[in-house]
Amino acid sequence: SQQGEEDPQALSIQEGENATMNCSYKTSINNLQWYRQNSGRGLVHLILIRSNEREKHSGRLRVTLDTSKKSSSLLITASRAADTASYFCATNGGGADGLTFGKGTHLIIQP
Amino acid sequence: DGGITQSPKYLFRKEGQNVTLSCEQNLNHDAMYWYRQDPGQGLRLIYYSQIVNDFQKGDIAEGYSVSREKKESFPLTVTSAQKNPTAFYLCASRHDRGLPTEAFFGQGTRLTVV
Repeated sequence: SQQGEEDPQALSIQEGENATMNCSYKTSINNLQWYRQNSGRGLVHLILIRSNEREKHSGRLRVTLDTSKKSSSLLITASRAADTASYFCATNGGGADGLTFGKGTHLIIQP
Repeated sequence: DGGITQSPKYLFRKEGQNVTLSCEQNLNHDAMYWYRQDPGQGLRLIYYSQIVNDFQKGDIAEGYSVSREKKESFPLTVTSAQKNPTAFYLCASRHDRGLPTEAFFGQGTRLTVV
């Protein structure tokens, strides 16, 4: 079964606006990661946040983690057309037994 | 260049045939993974391997088999027992050194049953 659920399933915004995606998960985690997937391609890692961290930044990306609510959010600021892609959250329990992915948010940035 | 390579990019299979998808990495990663992705869906774990000559079933292993004879290679065989094999298959690898690490993905193989 899939651990995470992203919300919304699809999001369309104008270029320059901020995009926020949310992820909820069910069991305890060691870390949570966000990935990006362009259509028909592999996934690219964006950012990793550990369970003892609350917020992390990387360029135009900001990730928050609330372990008490079992939720995370990804904020992309000053969006660009090239940000159009699907975004997935993935959780890991700490071992090498693979990441558990949500169904993703499809983000469309309109020029 | 270091990376993870999947081949072929597109694969067509007739009913009843076994097919093997290739995955090679030169990142010196210990752990390797196979995921299946259906349209509009997330990734589901098929098999994973933490070390050479050892592998474990993921959530949807039925109808699939793998081997890990070399650290660099983790081929996936889709057998005739897999009733609905049409999907996008992704291979990934990552370090397994006790610390949280990111996964590196190949570009995927799109398998279609004809």
